[in-house]
Amino acid sequence: QQPVQSPQAVILREGEDAVINCSSSKALYSVHWYRQKHGEAPVFLMILLKGGEQKGHEKISASFNEKKQQSSLYLTASQLSYSGTYFCGTEIRGNNRLAFGKGNQVVVIP
Amino acid sequence: EAQVTQNPRYLITVTGKKLTVTCSQNMNHEYMSWYRQDPGLGLRQIYYSMNVEVTDKGDVPEGYKVSRKEKRNFPLILESPSPNQTSLYFCASSGVNEQFFGPGTRLTVL
Repeated sequence: QQPVQSPQAVILREGEDAVINCSSSKALYSVHWYRQKHGEAPVFLMILLKGGEQKGHEKISASFNEKKQQSSLYLTASQLSYSGTYFCGTEIRGNNRLAFGKGNQVVVIP
Repeated sequence: EAQVTQNPRYLITVTGKKLTVTCSQNMNHEYMSWYRQDPGLGLRQIYYSMNVEVTDKGDVPEGYKVSRKEKRNFPLILESPSPNQTSLYFCASSGVNEQFFGPGTRLTVL
């Protein structure tokens, strides 16, 4: 089942922070985060396994709340290069099969 | 260099003319999958394969076929393409805790 991502779009100025969310109606084994720039393939950012861990990639970090079946991605001190569409992929069984949300479009302006 | 390759990258064809999109990975991954991406719908899984000769339907398998005769290759076959299969297609290959996407194939069916 497709996870729900919110907000649909975010516009922020360079240096500002933002949070984007991914929610599932099912219990999750893991959550993957990807970023896709226009005309390119999605690029893996990080994976969070059940257990509520937090991870980071550059100044982008994420958390996974197993009980709430949701993950949040934190863009800190955003840079122009952070612009793109962020997708979460949720895994239910630990079998590599991911269901992707519709994406969060992030635009960082100077 | 670890990579997933797809060919062709762009294809314009006509309704009913059989076509194959090839996908190959050099990471010795067991799990491979195909997605289609349409505006506003995110990434939807078409088929996936857990290993050689083991394939299964994803969320939108109608009109597609796959085969997995070798570990590195996972071709996507459209026996009789129709205009509603016009889309951007991604092949992906999964290792432990990370999924790599190919560069994408933009297909237009007239």
